[in-house]
Order: sequence, then structure tokens, then C-alpha cells
Amino acid sequence: GAGVSQSPSNKVTEKGKDVELRCDPISGHTALYWYRQSLGQGLEFLIYFQGNSAPDKSGLPSDRFSAERTGGSVSTLTIQRTQQEDSAVYLCASKSTDTQYFGPGTRLTVL
Amino acid sequence: QKEVEQNSGPLSVPEGAIASLNCTYSDRGSQSFFWYRQYSGKSPELIMFIYSNGDKEDGRFTAQLNKASQYVSLLIRDSQPSDSATYLCAVIGGSYIPTFGRGTSLIVHP
Repeated sequence: GAGVSQSPSNKVTEKGKDVELRCDPISGHTALYWYRQSLGQGLEFLIYFQGNSAPDKSGLPSDRFSAERTGGSVSTLTIQRTQQEDSAVYLCASKSTDTQYFGPGTRLTVL
Repeated sequence: QKEVEQNSGPLSVPEGAIASLNCTYSDRGSQSFFWYRQYSGKSPELIMFIYSNGDKEDGRFTAQLNKASQYVSLLIRDSQPSDSATYLCAVIGGSYIPTFGRGTSLIVHP
């Protein structure tokens, strides 16, 4: 595709439910990042995938958060037992050399 | 802990003026520096990157890097109302994980 795509664009869920967020990176980009951005806040790094290497999970805030990347392409971020403080925009970015290209994000609202 | 600091603003400049946005970082090993623009409700988009000390110009934008003083700045010449956005500074050190500042809100008024 022409750019990074994410789905869904908006997700409203109830506290305690699990959610899955999807990211389709730019074809050929081997690096993929997930970030979280809360209202008025900067970008909070969550997880980084590079090729077939083990992902850097150092930014995941708790063990309720996990992510996988299948076939070196599509990535899914899963949040289990969602909490209200998980409400944020979740951004995915894929990278070519040093340049990151961001997707449009998924706005998650936990009621 | 690696930190990237930006003045949250808002920075208000008149149309046609030069807007100066500043960013300081704590990690002396930082190697790559980026400026992103983020419109309200949208995702960040890359404006410029700079790796070496000095100035780098691209159209109306100039990035300035001073590694000794650990700051990077972005100058926007002939500012337009369409430049009104939040500008994010990002820094990459030894890892491939960028650290982002919280951003500076720029308002260009007619």
C-alpha cells in the first residue's frame, strides 16, 4: 500500500474487555513501532520489531499488553482486561532507514 | 533516563515571521534528530532530520544541531497559518528507539 494503515480507526470498549489493534506497515519496511499518545501528551514508545529479531518490549506498560508481528509484515497489538487509563490513540509506524512513517492511529476509548 | 525537552507553548507568531522551535536532549550519545509536525487529531509527519552539527535547510524549514550544547532547533521562515500545529522533536541514540518530546504548539496568526 501507499502508506501505513491501521484498523479500526476508533474503538470503544468496556472496562475489562480485550481489544486487538491492527497495523499494516509499508511494504518492504522491516522495522515497525507501536506508540501510545494520550491527550496533550507526547508519544510513548511501546514495542519495536525489526525483521526476525526478538522484539524490544521495553515500553510495554504492563503484562496486559502484548504484540506480535506475523510474517514480518502485519502487526497486532493486544490489550487484555482494558482499563480506563488505557484510553489513548495508538499509533503504529514503519521505518525505512531512519525515517518513520506513521499510520493514522486507532483511538481507543475504555468506558 | 533519556529525556527530550520542549517548551509546550503555545508559540504565537504573525504570518510571515520566523518561528523558532527549540529542543534539548539529555543523552550525549544521541546520533539522529528529527522534527515532526502533528496537526490536531492527525498522526505525526516527518518534516526534517539532521545528523551533523550545523544547519540543514529544506525550503522554508531549517534544522540546526549543536551536539556540544545538546540542542536542536527548527526555524520556519515566512510562517503561514497552515503551519499552525504541534511540532515534535525526536532523538535516537544507540538503540533504534526514538525518544519524543511532548511537542511545542505553534500558532501562526494572520
